[in-house]
Amino acid sequence: GNSVTQMEGPVTLSEEAFLTINCTYTATGYPSLFWYVQYPGEGLQLLLKATKADDKGSNKGFEATYRKETTSFHLEKGSVQVSDSAVYFCALGTGGGNKLTFGTGTQLKVEL
Amino acid sequence: DGGITQSPKYLFRKEGQNVTLSCEQNLNHDAMYWYRQDPGQGLRLIYYSQIVNDFQKGDIAEGYSVSREKKESFPLTVTSAQKNPTAFYLCASSPGGRGPRLTEAFFGQGTRLTVV
Repeated sequence: GNSVTQMEGPVTLSEEAFLTINCTYTATGYPSLFWYVQYPGEGLQLLLKATKADDKGSNKGFEATYRKETTSFHLEKGSVQVSDSAVYFCALGTGGGNKLTFGTGTQLKVEL
Repeated sequence: DGGITQSPKYLFRKEGQNVTLSCEQNLNHDAMYWYRQDPGQGLRLIYYSQIVNDFQKGDIAEGYSVSREKKESFPLTVTSAQKNPTAFYLCASSPGGRGPRLTEAFFGQGTRLTVV
């Protein structure tokens, strides 16, 4: 079956530090890959996506590249801000049932 | 504005009662989903629907029921059979019902259900 594995949190960084949150997946076929962000008490917001191998998704300074050979979709940002503090979810979507499968989420805390 | 609306934001239920959570979307999406989120955990799929008048069980459907009578609406009922209903419930939708891959999915703001 499909699965997504994310690095354990919380991840604590100082403002302006470089961020990497690792995400690897197992899936049949050719899934689409997503990163969602969740702020306290809120729903999930789509941060970025990639629908085929070697695609790079980007938004608000965040980037992730769909790596089929390593089945990975790591999230990166060159300089984090306090406002980036949130929980980040990696997810994959496949056809047939068109279901999203989520990782367990990684909490990011950015301090001044 | 287009989007997904969940209501209410907070809901309290007495043990033994059924309660229905509302989810409405005006994105003209075919597929809709219900997820449950528990503290410190990921999202688990309860039910999903690819098209009107059709729905399938997800990974944790026991104690829940849904209907899909209209494209825009996918209400979730938490029944008294659900042993541990206190959680954060999230509704989502995506455009392709039976396409080869899911290219995007959008979420509502969630409903926090507490059993008292």
